[in-house]
Amino acid sequence: EVQLLESGGGLVQPGGSLRLSCTASGFTFSTYAMSWVRQAPGEGLEWVSSITGSADNTYHADSVKGRFTISRDNSKSTLYLQMSSLRAEDTALYYCARGGIGLAGLDPWGQGILVTVSS
Amino acid sequence: QSVLTQPPSVSAAPGQKVTISCSGSSSNIGNRYVSWYQQLPGTAPKLLIYENNKRPSGIPDRFSGSKSGTSATLGITGLQTGDEADYYCGTWDNSLNAGVFGGGTKVTVL
Repeated sequence: EVQLLESGGGLVQPGGSLRLSCTASGFTFSTYAMSWVRQAPGEGLEWVSSITGSADNTYHADSVKGRFTISRDNSKSTLYLQMSSLRAEDTALYYCARGGIGLAGLDPWGQGILVTVSS
Repeated sequence: QSVLTQPPSVSAAPGQKVTISCSGSSSNIGNRYVSWYQQLPGTAPKLLIYENNKRPSGIPDRFSGSKSGTSATLGITGLQTGDEADYYCGTWDNSLNAGVFGGGTKVTVL
């Protein structure tokens, strides 16, 4: 069974940093692009970042560019999102998902991990 | 303001059909595959349609997708109370070089 499990969320002060992890199982991790999508409380989905299977290419939304970095460790079947200079507007449920949104869609999604940026 | 435009809500009686539109431009829907996602209350999104009109294994054929020009449509027939959820379209935008989602459409079964 394909599974994605996010971890690393929590409460952080504005300007702080946090690293999210997404541990994958049930498929050959290195052969798939991976993505992060977030959802602010009561709001819609917002694409955040994507990375190719070999990590040759990474993509970030303008809203996080220069502050967030997506990466992966294929030997550990783990996806990361390093977040720095966090702002209140980064408060959201962060989902990792297998795939690229412009390709064969995002499937499956993890259960999500909450990041709260507040003093 | 989302790059892709969806109606905020649609509704119909059980057994009826609803369609959800997703309007974009030549830099996104016009030249890329569209996918659709269902988000039931309190749960993670689930892929319903990929590559404009394909259904993943396990998705009933009551759900269908289509694309024409710079717009895409999700159709749900034989509406059930369990279909009450938020539905999102998504694709890649070549100009932004970024993923984009619609604002979401809430489906209500009357």
